[in-house]
Amino acid sequence: EAGVVQSPRYKIIEKKQPVAFWCNPISGHNTLYWYLQNLGQGPELLIRYENEEAVDDSQLPKDRFSAERLKGVDSTLKIQPAELGDSAVYLCASSLDGGKHTEAFFGQGTRLTVV
Amino acid sequence: RKEVEQDPGPFNVPEGATVAFNCTYSNSASQSFFWYRQDCRKEPKLLMSVYSSGNEDGRFTAQLNRASQYISLLIRDSKLSDSATYLCVVIGAGNTPLVFGKGTRLSVIA
Repeated sequence: EAGVVQSPRYKIIEKKQPVAFWCNPISGHNTLYWYLQNLGQGPELLIRYENEEAVDDSQLPKDRFSAERLKGVDSTLKIQPAELGDSAVYLCASSLDGGKHTEAFFGQGTRLTVV
Repeated sequence: RKEVEQDPGPFNVPEGATVAFNCTYSNSASQSFFWYRQDCRKEPKLLMSVYSSGNEDGRFTAQLNRASQYISLLIRDSKLSDSATYLCVVIGAGNTPLVFGKGTRLSVIA
């Protein structure tokens, strides 16, 4: 069974440019998360979807970040314009549902470098 | 105070040693607890859930102390392959997402 698939794996862009990340969760998983991870830190939640509804986006910097999950399956995360401080690994995860004991599976992440 | 706090380490231990990590959480209403493992430049993966009664999986033992609001992970007979970062994860009350600690780095040395 395919796991969570993210693309691209790596992205280098100049500051002020836009960038987009794509995530395909495990088939049948209703809950999708986008996390940001800086070096030496744990993942920090950006946004969580239950099907196509964003149920937790309080940590998403909405002035430059946007996300969507059309049809409750694939999701994209966009940054426009990118800043130097956005350099990090962007992790997508999915779980069967948002239940308390449901394991979250992570994709390999997109490593973003803003120069 | 951070919602989930861990000692970042690194913990450098010889093969065969026993090592323990602690994690504290601030929300007393938290309901679910996990340990995830993350290898260098890889994604986090679930190591084990943590139950109130404590649970064991081979060389790994996880315990929860609700009164003191901490979770522990004990690794016995450490192997070189145990070298990784161990992330403490907490789910709060209600419909809340997974909250990660910063992680504790373990290096097992031959």
